[in-house]
Amino acid sequence: DAGVTQSPTHLIKTRGQQVTLRCSPKSGHDTVSWYQQALGQGPQFIFQYYEEEERQRGNFPDRFSGHQFPNYSSELNVNALLLGDSALYLCASSGGRRSSYNSPLHFGNGTRLTVT
Amino acid sequence: DAKTTQPTSMDCAEGRAANLPCNHSTISGNEYVYWYRQIHSQGPQYIIHGLKNNETNEMASLIITEDRKSSTLILPHATLRDTAVYYCIVRGGTAGTYKYIFGTGTRLKVLA
Repeated sequence: DAGVTQSPTHLIKTRGQQVTLRCSPKSGHDTVSWYQQALGQGPQFIFQYYEEEERQRGNFPDRFSGHQFPNYSSELNVNALLLGDSALYLCASSGGRRSSYNSPLHFGNGTRLTVT
Repeated sequence: DAKTTQPTSMDCAEGRAANLPCNHSTISGNEYVYWYRQIHSQGPQYIIHGLKNNETNEMASLIITEDRKSSTLILPHATLRDTAVYYCIVRGGTAGTYKYIFGTGTRLKVLA
């Protein structure tokens, strides 16, 4: 039973470019959340997708956008990259028919984005 | 802002119990306490969660005070592989509100 998988594992981009990160949720999960983790900090919530719609959003600018596909996988897009966007981007999945509202999130190992 | 406060760092001797405290004095009645750990450059790993009763699984025990304003994660026999950052998170709400608010966690160092 595969857990949450993310791709790519590492990425280097230049300021001003755009990037797309991908996430496949744990089998049976239908909700995907994205988090940004700067060096030495705890993860910060970006947004959550359920039924292909953005359901909750954290304090991130519109440069951060996402998408969820019918198979529950998700993408995180960041436009006009800034040096400060360098971070570990984590995907977490949850939900599904076997879950309850207190079921824990399951995290992937993240994508390390470096903006130069 | 995070709803929890934790010590910045702790050391523990290998083979001894590691007791990691967490303060969540503003916790609401329907909010659960979750513990995760993060080993360098990996994603957070779920450890345990609870509402008001003490919980135990194969990884750890969670002790929640009667007033629910604080909790302690116990790793009964710490090993070097338990060296990690441990996060205590409070989350509640209804189905679909799975947002976690992380603090800066406790950096546990297990010493040989």
